[in-house]
Amino acid sequence: NAGVMQNPRHLVRRRGQEARLRCSPMKGHSHVYWYRQLPEEGLKFMVYLQKENIIDESGMPKERFSAEFPKEGPSILRIQQVVRGDSAAYFCASSPPSTGILANYGYTFGSGTRLTVV
Amino acid sequence: QKEVEQDPGPLSVPEGAIVSLNCTYSNSAFQYFMWYRQYSRKGPELLMYTYSSGNKEDGRFTAQVDKSSKYISLFIRDSQPSDSATYLCAMTTDSWGKLQFGAGTQVVVTP
Repeated sequence: NAGVMQNPRHLVRRRGQEARLRCSPMKGHSHVYWYRQLPEEGLKFMVYLQKENIIDESGMPKERFSAEFPKEGPSILRIQQVVRGDSAAYFCASSPPSTGILANYGYTFGSGTRLTVV
Repeated sequence: QKEVEQDPGPLSVPEGAIVSLNCTYSNSAFQYFMWYRQYSRKGPELLMYTYSSGNKEDGRFTAQVDKSSKYISLFIRDSQPSDSATYLCAMTTDSWGKLQFGAGTQVVVTP
């Protein structure tokens, strides 16, 4: 059973370009969470999605950032018109349906996408 | 003031020593507490999970939660060089998993 798969592992974008980060949850998982990790900082919650629904986007910047988790395919975190301050590691995590994190004692993280804006 | 405070270290210990890590927090509504281990360039990996106050032991790892003091700890006994990593505390108010993380403590275990 493959874990949470994120791609690409590394992404370089010039200022003003768009960045698309993909996350395929573990098999059977329908809840996806995105976190951002800035250098020397802990992970910061961005958004929580279920299939075709955004449940909690309280951590998402108001502009340029969007996320989706379609019925078919991976979850996508999209950053438009990237700036240098968007350079960070972006982690996705997944958990099974209807049980939240507790039944599995926390959720499973992917290895992250490291975005560098030049 | 950050909601979760964690000393970033680095914390250097000799092999075989006990590693002691801790976090303090300000939100009394936190009920679920976790410790994650993160190796360089990898995603966080869950080590320990505790609900409310109390102690939990799993092999060489012991997690403690003191809600009255808003203080959580992780102890690693008989530390090994392979324990060298960043340790992140995390907590949440509910089961749906919007975790609040500490900044992480870098631990180095020297042979």
